[in-house]
Amino acid sequence: DQQVKQNSPSLSVQEGRISILNCDYTNSMFDYFLWYKKYPAEGPTFLISISSIKDKNEDGRFTVFLNKSAKHLSLHIVPSQPGDSAVYFCAASARMGGSQGNLIFGKGTKLSVKP
Amino acid sequence: NAGVTQTPKFRVLKTGQSMTLLCAQDMNHEYMYWYRQDPGMGLRLIHYSVGEGTTAKGEVPDGYNVSRLKKQNFLLGLESAAPSQTSVYFCASRKGLISYNEQFFGPGTRLTVL
Repeated sequence: DQQVKQNSPSLSVQEGRISILNCDYTNSMFDYFLWYKKYPAEGPTFLISISSIKDKNEDGRFTVFLNKSAKHLSLHIVPSQPGDSAVYFCAASARMGGSQGNLIFGKGTKLSVKP
Repeated sequence: NAGVTQTPKFRVLKTGQSMTLLCAQDMNHEYMYWYRQDPGMGLRLIHYSVGEGTTAKGEVPDGYNVSRLKKQNFLLGLESAAPSQTSVYFCASRKGLISYNEQFFGPGTRLTVL
């Protein structure tokens, strides 16, 4: 059973507009969430994270929103740029429960930003 | 500061052959991980280590073994490769559990088993 779900395999956005990538989770023990960006033939790179004690974290053009009651988080990219075209992975971890803080990844959303 | 490096970048094996993938990190991180990425499957944890001399199973450990003899290195072994192990393998490291810190990934090893 998937604990972290990214239901949109792909998303296409016009340059300059907002990109919104969504992620849902089922495990209420998750208390830390991350977004990774991956270009082809490269390893994932960390983008932004949020702790469960917050509902928003912002870093430049990237903002992550967390809705704990809905078990939902989203990544907003404003404005979107062609260089943002990549696969974005949502990941979650639980510090308690013996999982050692291991990350559980979603299947990813491929973002294409059109010039 | 090279971060996380992986050797080799590409490899083709025949069914039944064995090989070892090497991961090295120069950030003095305690935790290290091996993942595999398959099309449409995201990243799945194979094995991980919380410190030198320790290893533990992840989500998909069958068919793989690991060793962490030195803090900076984490080896992934395939004793008898199978076509189902065709995948892209990523190594990652993390500072430790104390604070919420992210994992740093290597560039990946693309393995094909014929």
